[in-house]
Amino acid sequence: GDSVTQMEGPVTLSEEAFLTINCTYTATGYPSLFWYVQYPGEGLQLLLKATKADDKGSNKGFEATYRKETTSFHLEKGSVQVSDSAVYFCALSMEYGNKLVFGAGTILRVKS
Amino acid sequence: DTAVSQTPKYLVTQMGNDKSIKCEQNLGHDTMYWYKQDSKKFLKIMFSYNNKELIINETVPNRFSPKSPDKAHLNLHINSLELGDSAVYFCASSRGLAGVSEQYFGPGTRLTVT
Repeated sequence: GDSVTQMEGPVTLSEEAFLTINCTYTATGYPSLFWYVQYPGEGLQLLLKATKADDKGSNKGFEATYRKETTSFHLEKGSVQVSDSAVYFCALSMEYGNKLVFGAGTILRVKS
Repeated sequence: DTAVSQTPKYLVTQMGNDKSIKCEQNLGHDTMYWYKQDSKKFLKIMFSYNNKELIINETVPNRFSPKSPDKAHLNLHINSLELGDSAVYFCASSRGLAGVSEQYFGPGTRLTVT
């Protein structure tokens, strides 16, 4: 079945450090790819998405590029802030599917 | 205005009890979902409804029964609660299919079964 694999956390960084969270997927077709973020005690919010190969999603300084050849959608940010501390979920959805398939989530902790 | 709301936010109950969680969205979406998040933060779809019709049931025990009285509401009733049901339950909604539409999540209901 379709699945998403994320790097394990927690990831602990100092403020202004560069962030990469790896995400790879397995799917029978051509999925749409998403990054969701969950701040402590809250629900999930869409951070960015890409719907076809080579698309780049970006939001709030975060970026991810849909790489079909490596089946990857790695999340990056050039300079993290303490307020970025959260759990980050990579997810996929098939074009005619009706559900998100999530990775296990990666906890990010940013220290000042 | 809250886009997707859930009640209650916390629910503590004993094994064997029956409980319900309510979800409402004011976004005009026609698809709603229930997800379960376990203690390790892993999220898994439970149910999906489109225009009040059940379209996904991910091998959830039949103790769990979703009900959608209208497009804006999707409730979750759980019979004979078990310890393993302890989790955070998230409601979500989207306009159209998940493949092309962003899903909007509620704040979650933390269920603790003792």
